[in-house]
Amino acid sequence: ETGVTQSPTHLIKTRGQQVTLRCSSQSGHNTVSWYQQALGQGPQFIFQYYREEENGRGNFPPRFSGLQFPNYSSELNVNALELDDSALYLCASSLADPSSYNEQFFGPGTRLTVL
Amino acid sequence: DAKTTQPPSMDCAEGRAANLPCNHSTISGNEYVYWYRQIHSQGPQYIIHGLKNNETNEMASLIITEDRKSSTLILPHATLRDTAVYYCIVRVVAAGNKLTFGGGTRVLVKP
Repeated sequence: ETGVTQSPTHLIKTRGQQVTLRCSSQSGHNTVSWYQQALGQGPQFIFQYYREEENGRGNFPPRFSGLQFPNYSSELNVNALELDDSALYLCASSLADPSSYNEQFFGPGTRLTVL
Repeated sequence: DAKTTQPPSMDCAEGRAANLPCNHSTISGNEYVYWYRQIHSQGPQYIIHGLKNNETNEMASLIITEDRKSSTLILPHATLRDTAVYYCIVRVVAAGNKLTFGGGTRVLVKP
């Protein structure tokens, strides 16, 4: 286990609703990244937070937003859910200066189903 | 980040070495090669990374060709628990922590 936890494990929502997913980083880690993984595909980078500020974003619309808290836990919020948002959402934490690389530790993910 | 090409799937016999190829012909001089794997129902797990020299750790060995256009991940003695999707990623360290995953290679270790 990596020490990164995510909640909930599974979630079912309907189209148009809003959802909040949570991640608790490994102790001492100051950077968190979120990824979306559709079935049968590799994870796709959503965004990264460092010291509570967004520090890099992938090709995702503004209805995907996030927060990082002083204790380095974080949230991923998705508004106006669409069917294509159904996926496994992964968070990854690392102890890093975002200008350099350190090993990322992934959580087990939250499986979101949008009906 | 440079694009990588991996075979979609491969089988390996338990106890034998598994050699996973990756092509990255457009890799730049400052891009590293990373390998992650994802076991079913888990998040990706870091395996190894390198720039141009061969690397070895407790999990695997990474062989990078002299021209750096391809690499091979070697699992020396595959076990059933090595069944997973293996991702080869090339990236510039200065880009921060973003990882660009492709489709990966689905490895099935058979008894």
